[in-house]
Amino acid sequence: GEDVEQSLFLSVREGDSSVINCTYTDSSSTYLYWYKQEPGAGLQLLTYIFSNMDMKQDQRLTVLLNKKDKHLSLRIADTQTGDSAIYFCAESKGDYKLSFGAGTTVTVRA
Amino acid sequence: NAGVTQTPKFQVLKTGQSMTLQCAQDMNHNSMYWYRQDPGMGLRLIYYSASEGTTDKGEVPNGYNVSRLNKREFSLRLESAAPSQTSVYFCASSDTWGAAEAFFGQGTRLTVV
Repeated sequence: GEDVEQSLFLSVREGDSSVINCTYTDSSSTYLYWYKQEPGAGLQLLTYIFSNMDMKQDQRLTVLLNKKDKHLSLRIADTQTGDSAIYFCAESKGDYKLSFGAGTTVTVRA
Repeated sequence: NAGVTQTPKFQVLKTGQSMTLQCAQDMNHNSMYWYRQDPGMGLRLIYYSASEGTTDKGEVPNGYNVSRLNKREFSLRLESAAPSQTSVYFCASSDTWGAAEAFFGQGTRLTVV
């Protein structure tokens, strides 16, 4: 949706780090999420961060949140071919509804 | 573990035809959702059901109706399909308020000609 924006494409070499960026407009967002969609499949939650946190790390994934600038990023270390997918940023206010960005298509090249 | 199951996976309709997309979850989740996914626009919420017995409009409800048949099942109906409803439809479910993870079905690719 228009409340969450992300760049549409990212190409990265295998073994390098990928950084996917997202901006959101609603300062009352409580939770921010990263979802992954592989071809022909539904969305799968990768990780989420509560709005009072600055950073969250989970194995190869690092999420950074700059609440002042309403900027969220997802860093994937040592990117592999299996990381090729569409990555969606999403936000919620702790209610039942998620607002999604348009998705960033990540292509990993050998 | 089935998770969220949608049927059908693919459908072609003629303009003006009606159809119902079915969704069932076996995780005993309270909340269920229908989204549509269009190129360059991400997912947009059509309708949701916060709990059994309730349904509410999302961002793009026009042209659709929903039924929360029981806790497991949440169907989406197109009464008179239009080409603008060509999209990929996803059903999702989640358990509780807050950071609850939403689990998604595999999607239904609908084409209206």
